[in-house]
Amino acid sequence: AQSVTQPDIHITVSEGASLELRCNYSYGATPYLFWYVQSPGQGLQLLLKYFSGDTLVQGIKGFEAEFKRSQSSFNLRKPSVHWSDAAEYFCAVGLNTNAGKSTFGDGTTLTVKP
Amino acid sequence: EAQVTQNPRYLITVTGKKLTVTCSQNMNHEYMSWYRQDPGLGLRQIYYSMNVEVTDKGDVPEGYKVSRKEKRNFPLILESPSPNQTSLYFCASSLKGNPNYGYTFGSGTRLTVV
Repeated sequence: AQSVTQPDIHITVSEGASLELRCNYSYGATPYLFWYVQSPGQGLQLLLKYFSGDTLVQGIKGFEAEFKRSQSSFNLRKPSVHWSDAAEYFCAVGLNTNAGKSTFGDGTTLTVKP
Repeated sequence: EAQVTQNPRYLITVTGKKLTVTCSQNMNHEYMSWYRQDPGLGLRQIYYSMNVEVTDKGDVPEGYKVSRKEKRNFPLILESPSPNQTSLYFCASSLKGNPNYGYTFGSGTRLTVV
Protein backbone atom coordinates (compact mmCIF):
# COMPACT_ATOMS: atom_id res chain seq x y z
CA ALA A 1 0.00 0.00 0.00
CA GLN A 2 1.15 3.52 -0.62
CA SER A 3 2.23 5.72 2.26
CA VAL A 4 3.28 9.31 2.81
CA THR A 5 5.70 10.48 5.46
CA GLN A 6 6.19 14.03 6.58
CA PRO A 7 9.17 13.78 8.93
CA ASP A 8 8.73 17.18 10.56
CA ILE A 9 5.72 17.61 12.81
CA HIS A 10 6.44 21.24 13.54
CA ILE A 11 8.74 23.80 11.89
CA THR A 12 9.41 27.38 12.94
CA VAL A 13 10.98 29.90 10.59
CA SER A 14 11.49 33.64 10.73
CA GLU A 15 9.51 35.88 8.42
CA GLY A 16 11.50 36.44 5.24
CA ALA A 17 13.52 33.25 5.63
CA SER A 18 13.36 30.38 3.18
CA LEU A 19 11.27 27.31 3.84
CA GLU A 20 11.49 23.64 2.92
CA LEU A 21 8.93 21.08 4.07
CA ARG A 22 9.81 17.47 3.52
CA CYS A 23 7.63 14.73 2.07
CA ASN A 24 8.58 11.15 1.29
CA TYR A 25 6.32 8.60 -0.31
CA SER A 26 6.36 4.88 -0.69
CA TYR A 27 5.03 3.40 -3.90
CA GLY A 28 6.37 1.22 -6.69
CA ALA A 29 5.54 3.53 -9.58
CA THR A 30 5.36 7.28 -10.05
CA PRO A 31 2.39 8.52 -8.09
CA TYR A 32 0.40 11.69 -8.36
CA LEU A 33 1.70 14.07 -5.71
CA PHE A 34 0.03 17.01 -4.04
CA TRP A 35 0.61 19.63 -1.40
CA TYR A 36 -2.31 21.14 0.49
CA VAL A 37 -2.41 23.94 3.06
CA GLN A 38 -4.86 24.19 5.94
CA SER A 39 -5.22 27.54 7.67
CA PRO A 40 -6.72 27.53 11.17
CA GLY A 41 -10.43 26.77 11.09
CA GLN A 42 -10.42 26.20 7.36
CA GLY A 43 -10.53 23.30 4.96
CA LEU A 44 -7.55 22.18 2.94
CA GLN A 45 -6.57 24.14 -0.15
CA LEU A 46 -4.58 22.68 -3.03
CA LEU A 47 -1.20 24.40 -3.39
CA LEU A 48 0.26 22.40 -6.27
CA LYS A 49 0.38 18.98 -7.88
CA TYR A 50 2.70 16.80 -9.91
CA PHE A 51 1.99 13.81 -12.11
CA SER A 52 4.36 14.02 -15.05
CA GLY A 53 6.73 16.27 -16.96
CA ASP A 54 8.93 18.90 -15.38
CA THR A 55 9.94 17.75 -11.92
CA LEU A 56 9.84 21.30 -10.53
CA VAL A 57 6.27 22.50 -10.22
CA GLN A 58 5.00 25.93 -9.35
CA GLY A 59 1.95 26.47 -7.21
CA ILE A 60 -0.09 29.23 -5.72
CA LYS A 61 1.06 31.68 -3.04
CA GLY A 62 4.66 31.53 -4.30
CA PHE A 63 5.25 27.87 -3.41
CA GLU A 64 7.09 25.32 -5.50
CA ALA A 65 7.90 21.64 -5.09
CA GLU A 66 10.44 19.32 -6.63
CA PHE A 67 9.85 15.67 -7.39
CA LYS A 68 12.95 13.51 -6.94
CA ARG A 69 12.33 9.96 -8.03
CA SER A 70 15.64 8.65 -6.70
CA GLN A 71 14.80 9.90 -3.21
CA SER A 72 11.03 9.24 -3.36
CA SER A 73 10.57 12.81 -2.24
CA PHE A 74 8.37 15.76 -3.07
CA ASN A 75 9.58 18.64 -0.92
CA LEU A 76 7.77 21.95 -0.75
CA ARG A 77 9.75 25.19 -0.84
CA LYS A 78 9.24 28.90 -0.61
CA PRO A 79 12.09 31.43 -0.95
CA SER A 80 10.70 33.98 1.51
CA VAL A 81 8.05 33.14 4.08
CA HIS A 82 5.31 35.59 5.03
CA TRP A 83 3.49 35.64 8.35
CA SER A 84 0.31 34.58 6.52
CA ASP A 85 1.98 31.30 5.55
CA ALA A 86 1.59 30.03 9.11
CA ALA A 87 -0.63 26.97 8.70
CA GLU A 88 -0.58 23.20 8.53
CA TYR A 89 0.74 21.63 5.35
CA PHE A 90 -0.19 18.22 4.03
CA CYS A 91 1.51 16.14 1.40
CA ALA A 92 -0.68 13.62 -0.40
CA VAL A 93 -0.24 10.85 -2.93
CA GLY A 94 -2.88 9.66 -5.38
CA LEU A 95 -2.82 6.48 -7.41
CA ASN A 96 -4.49 5.79 -10.70
CA THR A 97 -5.32 2.29 -9.56
CA ASN A 98 -7.12 3.42 -6.45
CA ALA A 99 -10.27 5.03 -7.77
CA GLY A 100 -9.37 8.60 -7.01
CA LYS A 101 -8.26 7.99 -3.47
CA SER A 102 -5.48 10.12 -2.05
CA THR A 103 -3.44 9.16 0.98
CA PHE A 104 -2.38 12.06 3.16
CA GLY A 105 0.65 12.54 5.36
CA ASP A 106 0.17 13.53 8.99
CA GLY A 107 0.93 17.17 8.28
CA THR A 108 3.60 19.71 9.23
CA THR A 109 2.65 22.76 11.26
CA LEU A 110 4.49 25.89 10.23
CA THR A 111 5.00 28.72 12.70
CA VAL A 112 6.36 32.03 11.41
CA LYS A 113 8.30 34.24 13.82
CA PRO A 114 8.15 38.01 13.30
CA GLU B 1 -18.19 31.02 -6.26
CA ALA B 2 -17.01 27.45 -6.75
CA GLN B 3 -17.13 25.71 -3.42
CA VAL B 4 -17.91 22.73 -1.27
CA THR B 5 -20.41 23.58 1.48
CA GLN B 6 -20.73 21.53 4.64
CA ASN B 7 -23.33 21.93 7.33
CA PRO B 8 -23.29 22.28 10.21
CA ARG B 9 -19.85 23.70 11.05
CA TYR B 10 -20.13 22.60 14.67
CA LEU B 11 -22.29 19.91 16.23
CA ILE B 12 -22.52 18.48 19.72
CA THR B 13 -24.72 15.43 20.09
CA VAL B 14 -25.37 12.54 22.45
CA THR B 15 -24.43 8.93 21.95
CA GLY B 16 -26.89 7.04 19.80
CA LYS B 17 -28.78 9.99 18.34
CA LYS B 18 -28.78 9.75 14.57
CA LEU B 19 -27.31 12.69 12.71
CA THR B 20 -26.55 13.79 9.17
CA VAL B 21 -23.80 16.10 7.98
CA THR B 22 -24.61 17.58 4.61
CA CYS B 23 -22.17 18.28 1.81
CA SER B 24 -22.94 20.07 -1.42
CA GLN B 25 -20.72 21.18 -4.31
CA ASN B 26 -21.57 23.55 -7.16
CA MET B 27 -18.79 22.58 -9.57
CA ASN B 28 -20.48 19.63 -11.29
CA HIS B 29 -17.77 17.36 -9.89
CA GLU B 30 -18.23 13.65 -10.36
CA TYR B 31 -16.08 12.54 -7.42
CA MET B 32 -16.88 13.25 -3.77
CA SER B 33 -15.34 11.96 -0.58
CA TRP B 34 -15.52 12.20 3.19
CA TYR B 35 -12.48 12.39 5.45
CA ARG B 36 -12.04 12.61 9.18
CA GLN B 37 -9.09 14.42 10.73
CA ASP B 38 -7.78 13.42 14.14
CA PRO B 39 -4.66 14.62 15.97
CA GLY B 40 -1.71 12.38 15.21
CA LEU B 41 -3.66 10.38 12.63
CA GLY B 42 -3.90 12.88 9.79
CA LEU B 43 -6.74 12.60 7.30
CA ARG B 44 -8.41 9.26 6.85
CA GLN B 45 -10.93 8.52 4.14
CA ILE B 46 -14.35 7.32 5.27
CA TYR B 47 -16.32 6.88 2.03
CA TYR B 48 -16.08 8.09 -1.50
CA SER B 49 -18.32 8.29 -4.55
CA MET B 50 -17.17 8.12 -8.15
CA ASN B 51 -20.52 9.36 -9.44
CA VAL B 52 -24.26 9.33 -8.76
CA GLU B 53 -25.41 6.09 -7.13
CA VAL B 54 -21.79 4.82 -6.92
CA THR B 55 -20.26 4.76 -3.45
CA ASP B 56 -17.48 2.76 -1.85
CA LYS B 57 -15.71 2.36 1.46
CA GLY B 58 -12.55 4.18 2.33
CA ASP B 59 -10.16 3.30 5.13
CA VAL B 60 -12.46 3.87 8.13
CA PRO B 61 -16.10 3.29 7.07
CA GLU B 62 -17.38 1.59 10.25
CA GLY B 63 -20.23 3.49 11.86
CA TYR B 64 -20.92 5.69 8.83
CA LYS B 65 -23.26 5.64 5.87
CA VAL B 66 -23.41 7.77 2.75
CA SER B 67 -25.67 8.22 -0.23
CA ARG B 68 -25.25 9.90 -3.62
CA LYS B 69 -28.69 10.41 -5.12
CA GLU B 70 -27.73 13.63 -6.85
CA LYS B 71 -24.42 14.73 -8.29
CA ARG B 72 -24.09 17.79 -6.08
CA ASN B 73 -24.90 16.24 -2.68
CA PHE B 74 -23.07 13.64 -0.61
CA PRO B 75 -24.42 13.47 2.95
CA LEU B 76 -22.63 11.62 5.74
CA ILE B 77 -24.94 9.73 8.09
CA LEU B 78 -24.09 8.51 11.58
CA GLU B 79 -26.90 6.14 12.52
CA SER B 80 -25.78 5.68 16.13
CA PRO B 81 -22.91 8.03 16.95
CA SER B 82 -20.37 7.05 19.57
CA PRO B 83 -17.73 9.14 21.37
CA ASN B 84 -14.95 7.68 19.19
CA GLN B 85 -16.56 9.45 16.26
CA THR B 86 -15.76 12.81 17.80
CA SER B 87 -13.62 14.35 15.11
CA LEU B 88 -13.23 17.03 12.46
CA TYR B 89 -14.91 15.95 9.24
CA PHE B 90 -14.16 17.19 5.75
CA CYS B 91 -16.05 16.71 2.54
CA ALA B 92 -14.04 16.97 -0.67
CA SER B 93 -14.84 16.85 -4.36
CA SER B 94 -12.90 16.45 -7.57
CA LEU B 95 -13.80 16.85 -11.21
CA LYS B 96 -13.33 13.16 -11.84
CA GLY B 97 -12.11 10.11 -9.96
CA ASN B 98 -8.68 10.33 -11.52
CA PRO B 99 -6.35 11.49 -8.77
CA ASN B 100 -4.50 14.03 -10.88
CA TYR B 101 -7.25 16.61 -10.48
CA GLY B 102 -6.74 17.21 -6.77
CA TYR B 103 -9.51 17.93 -4.30
CA THR B 104 -11.61 20.93 -3.33
CA PHE B 105 -12.39 20.75 0.37
CA GLY B 106 -15.23 22.08 2.46
CA SER B 107 -14.53 24.11 5.60
CA GLY B 108 -15.11 21.19 7.93
CA THR B 109 -17.60 20.03 10.53
CA ARG B 110 -16.42 19.65 14.09
CA LEU B 111 -18.47 16.90 15.70
CA THR B 112 -18.50 16.12 19.41
CA VAL B 113 -20.33 13.04 20.65
CA VAL B 114 -20.90 12.94 24.41
